[in-house]
Amino acid sequence: NAGVTQTPKFRVLKTGQSMTLLCAQDMNHEYMYWYRQDPGMGLRLIHYSVGEGTTAKGEVPDGYNVSRLKKQNFLLGLESAAPSQTSVYFCASSYGGSSYEQYFGPGTRLTVT
Amino acid sequence: ELKVEQNPLFLSMQEGKNYTIYCNYSTTSDRLYWYRQDPGKSLESLFVLLSNGAVKQEGRLMASLDTKARLSTLHITAAVHDLSATYFCAVAPRRNTDKLIFGTGTRLQVFP
Repeated sequence: NAGVTQTPKFRVLKTGQSMTLLCAQDMNHEYMYWYRQDPGMGLRLIHYSVGEGTTAKGEVPDGYNVSRLKKQNFLLGLESAAPSQTSVYFCASSYGGSSYEQYFGPGTRLTVT
Repeated sequence: ELKVEQNPLFLSMQEGKNYTIYCNYSTTSDRLYWYRQDPGKSLESLFVLLSNGAVKQEGRLMASLDTKARLSTLHITAAVHDLSATYFCAVAPRRNTDKLIFGTGTRLQVFP
């Protein structure tokens, strides 16, 4: 039981490049979330999904897109990376919304130069 | 706008001392979570507080929830170096049960 995994762990992009971050969970959770964490700003919700085939915007969605084609996977895409997107990205999942605790992946450290 | 505020933001304390971290929030909520994050690591769940008056304890940490005051506390008893980490509270808003709202975190440093 791997829990929540994220791929890749580290990535360096040049401005304007695109990439996709993959989050996978093996706990059969319905809800999945993407956060970014910047120094002194805590965790900010980018997008989330309440089930397979659904997505919704969080607090800071601009510049990101997501897809949840399979229940166990939640993808975060950056179409045209900007230096402001340099951050640590965490994926999380939960059984059913805020009534249940969220389980976090190990994080992806992204640097955009 | 929903706000979750933690204070202090940074806490440096000596081993053996006691201290309390506060988490104030601006919406109605019946559920609150505390997480721990070690440097460079992910977040780990510490406590789940499910109702007004809930109190949970694990080792030197004790968390409580007062939903009327919209306040949760994380009390540290006789701090040890291993408790050095960043602690986050996260609130489940009653109006939107899809997501949690995280506080900015309290960075705790325990020195000998």
